[in-house]
Amino acid sequence: GAVVSQHPSWVICKSGTSVKIECRSLDFQATTMFWYRQFPKQSLMLMATSNEGSKATYEQGVEKDKFLINHASLTLSTLTVTSAHPEDSSFYICSALARLAGAPGYNEQFFGPGTRLTVL
Amino acid sequence: GDSVTQMEGPVTLSEEAFLTINCTYTATGYPSLFWYVQYPGEGLQLLLKATKADDKGSNKGFEATYRKETTSFHLEKGSVQVSDSAVYFCALRVYGQNFVFGPGTRLSVLP
Repeated sequence: GAVVSQHPSWVICKSGTSVKIECRSLDFQATTMFWYRQFPKQSLMLMATSNEGSKATYEQGVEKDKFLINHASLTLSTLTVTSAHPEDSSFYICSALARLAGAPGYNEQFFGPGTRLTVL
Repeated sequence: GDSVTQMEGPVTLSEEAFLTINCTYTATGYPSLFWYVQYPGEGLQLLLKATKADDKGSNKGFEATYRKETTSFHLEKGSVQVSDSAVYFCALRVYGQNFVFGPGTRLSVLP
């Protein structure tokens, strides 16, 4: 199946710094990618939908100035956590929407392995 | 809005025991249903899916049947292994809309 990678897989940073997380679709093009946040022992919470070449759509309650999303190409979306604070520590997961060959119009979502962010 | 409810666990079983994780949903449209598995420290992997009523998804010994009349998609496995220890998420998606995930069920299988 299609593969989605994330980099880095884990990162530790100091409070007040910014951290960039990359999400790449390795063997397919993705016009749409999604960013989720997962707190310990909880489910995934959709943060935003990232569309190639346009502004991201943020879910209610997610600060767009804090979580900057850029989807500059069909295989790469980035999430930048600006001025990170300890409460931003979490597991961030991206997913990419792929069109399956032979099934036009049907989209399947593939998930990355996640990035664990710890803010000290 | 759309929602997914599943037993939260944790569920602890002995190896070779029978597993059932219940999942029910509410949706305004006609959803596809999914089970995802998350192993420790990793992202989500699709385990199985069903796109219409009475479809049965199966993979790695796991099965789930799309029951429209009871709005359920219960996950079952006849004989679990230690390697099945993970968190299992039930999810739905109406075409053109975002995924909706359940809270996840943590499964621990003891040797």
